[in-house]
Formats: sequence, C-alpha cells, structure tokens
Amino acid sequence: GEDVEQSLFLSVREGDSSVINCTYTDSSSTYLYWYKQEPGAGLQLLTYIFSNMDMKQDQRLTVLLNKKDKHLSLRIADTQTGDSAIYFCAESMRGGGNKLTFGTGTQLKVEL
Amino acid sequence: DTAVSQTPKYLVTQMGNDKSIKCEQNLGHDTMYWYKQDSKKFLKIMFSYNNKELIINETVPNRFSPKSPDKAHLNLHINSLELGDSAVYFCASSQVWDRGGRDTPYNEQFFGPGTRLTVL
Repeated sequence: GEDVEQSLFLSVREGDSSVINCTYTDSSSTYLYWYKQEPGAGLQLLTYIFSNMDMKQDQRLTVLLNKKDKHLSLRIADTQTGDSAIYFCAESMRGGGNKLTFGTGTQLKVEL
Repeated sequence: DTAVSQTPKYLVTQMGNDKSIKCEQNLGHDTMYWYKQDSKKFLKIMFSYNNKELIINETVPNRFSPKSPDKAHLNLHINSLELGDSAVYFCASSQVWDRGGRDTPYNEQFFGPGTRLTVL
C-alpha cells in the first residue's frame, strides 16, 4: 500500500522544538522527504533521507527514520513564527519513476 | 530566474468548459510532473513525462490530457470541467528519471507555484 499518514495539526510556542511525525506502509521506500508549504505557495523541499540511514541533521532540522516501525519524524529546533506552514512527508520508491507519494500534511502553528 | 513557472495562477471557469494550464521549466530537467492538491490539502500525482514521453498516468479521468511539446514544457488540458476538478494543480520537474536500477539516484523535484482552479 501507499498510505502515508501524519497528524493534522501541531501548535508550539516560539523557541520550543517541534516534532512532526509521519508513518508509511510501503517498506520499499528509497528516499523519504520533508516538504514545506506556506499559504498560497508551492512546495519547498526542506530535507530528505536515504532509506538506509536512520538520522540526518541539517542546521535546525533533524530527521529520524525508524524503518522497522516505518516511522519518520522531523524535529525543528528553536521554532520561529516563519516556520508556520504545512509540512508534508513524502516517499519515493526504486523503479517508481520518481513518483512522490505524499502524506496528509501537518499544519504547524507557532505562537508567540 | 531559474524556476518552474505555471500560468495562470488563478483560473475561474464554468462547469463544462475546456481549459489549459501551462508549465515551463528552465532548469534543463528531463522529467516533469503534474500533481493535484484537493481542498483538504491532499497531494497526489497525476502524470509524469520523461523527455516528452508519458511515464506515469495515475488513474486520471481521460478528460485530463497532458501535452509535452518539448522537454521544457508540460501543459495540462482539461475537457468538460466538473465541480470536483476544483483544486490547486502543481507542476514539478526533476533532472533524471528513476529507471529502477540498483543505484537509485537522489532526484529532487522542483515545484511550481501552483494554479488554483475553481469550477463554478
């Protein structure tokens, strides 16, 4: 199956860490991605992780991948109001023609 | 600026009409895509073209016909528009196409700004 699930909404205070979670069902994922969508805008790739890795850090972003549980998370350190957006996880599979299967999206709201 | 561009940004039309959305990329990429984002923000791929050749067609009604005149353009034509076609349509492009070989390359997709289609 290609179901990719995320919680719908997350609210954090500015300066706190945010953790956005994603679960997927297809174990043949090759790459997993996190995209950000600001209101009225397109999708911006934030980071990605290859399926044989379990962690990737990129400045304020930390991606954790648990292949056994098919669980992916994105941690944003020191969350700012500019981080308010919808975050999508996505997966692609070998031989899938680069098709991205997106999660349901998590709306992150950062409060002062 | 190097980017993926789409026109128009907004499109409002009546049910039953035929309309087109255009997409152009000047990134020199070989592969282009169309995605649909519905009112609940759910994103799903519709089509993928590699070097003007259709690669992916995800059970999209045949009222939707993509056309790729060259590698840099992938247009979407929609016949007999229905209320359920209202959505945001995103075009994307990537450098190479995954043929399913042993070493699958990382292949970032660059997205256009989207076209909001409203069918009345």
